[in-house]
Amino acid sequence: EAGVTQSPTHLIKTRGQQATLRCSPISGHTSVYWYQQALGLGLQFLLWYDEGEERNRGNFPPRFSGRQFPNYSSELNVNALELEDSALYLCASSQIRDRVTFGDGTRLSIL
Amino acid sequence: DQQVKQNSPSLSVQEGRISILNCDYTNSMFDYFLWYKKYPAEGPTFLISISSIKDKNEDGRFTVFLNKSAKHLSLHIVPSQPGDSAVYFCAASAGTGANNLFFGTGTRLTVIP
Repeated sequence: EAGVTQSPTHLIKTRGQQATLRCSPISGHTSVYWYQQALGLGLQFLLWYDEGEERNRGNFPPRFSGRQFPNYSSELNVNALELEDSALYLCASSQIRDRVTFGDGTRLSIL
Repeated sequence: DQQVKQNSPSLSVQEGRISILNCDYTNSMFDYFLWYKKYPAEGPTFLISISSIKDKNEDGRFTVFLNKSAKHLSLHIVPSQPGDSAVYFCAASAGTGANNLFFGTGTRLTVIP
C-alpha cells in the first residue's frame, strides 16, 4: 500500500512569491491534514480537509490556503511568501482516531 | 501557548540501556496521547499511543506511562538500539480528528553503540 506522498521534496522561493505544495493521501483516506514544522518548533496544525471541504484551520494567516480535489489529493498554497514561512510542511491522512500517517514533507526555503 | 512540552531537546544513551523521554501537558481535557518517531528527511511515524483510561501501554521494547495527576507522560525504550536514534514527538488530543493533535517540540535521541 502506497503511503502519503508529497511533492516537491524541496522548493526554493523568494519573498513575495507564491508556493504550491501537493499531497496524495493513502488510498481510501478522505481526510488530509497539513502541518508546519518550523525550526525549533513542534508540528503546528495548519489545515484539515475532508470530502473536499475545509473542516478546520489552525492559527495561520489567510495567505495559507488550500483545497482538496475529488480524488482526495490536496494542495497547500502559500501566498506572499515571507522569510518566516521557511519550514518543513507535512501532509498526513488518518487511519484510526488521531493516528495520522505522515508523508515525508516538502522543505520550503524562502530566500 | 505550548500545550504539550518536551523540555529536553536531546538525550544520549548507551546501547542496551534504557531511554526515557518525557512529555508534559497543560490541558486537562486531553484524553489520548501518542508518540511519533522521525528520522531525517522522512515524515514522523506512529510509535505507540495510550488512552487516558490507562496508565501504561506496552509494545515490545516501547512502553508509555501516563500520570494524569501530574499531567506527564513518558516513553521508555528498553533496550535502546542505535536504530532508535531519531527525533521523538509526543502528541495529545482532546477529541477526534488530527486537527486536535497538539505536538511537542521533539527530543532528539542518540543511542551510542
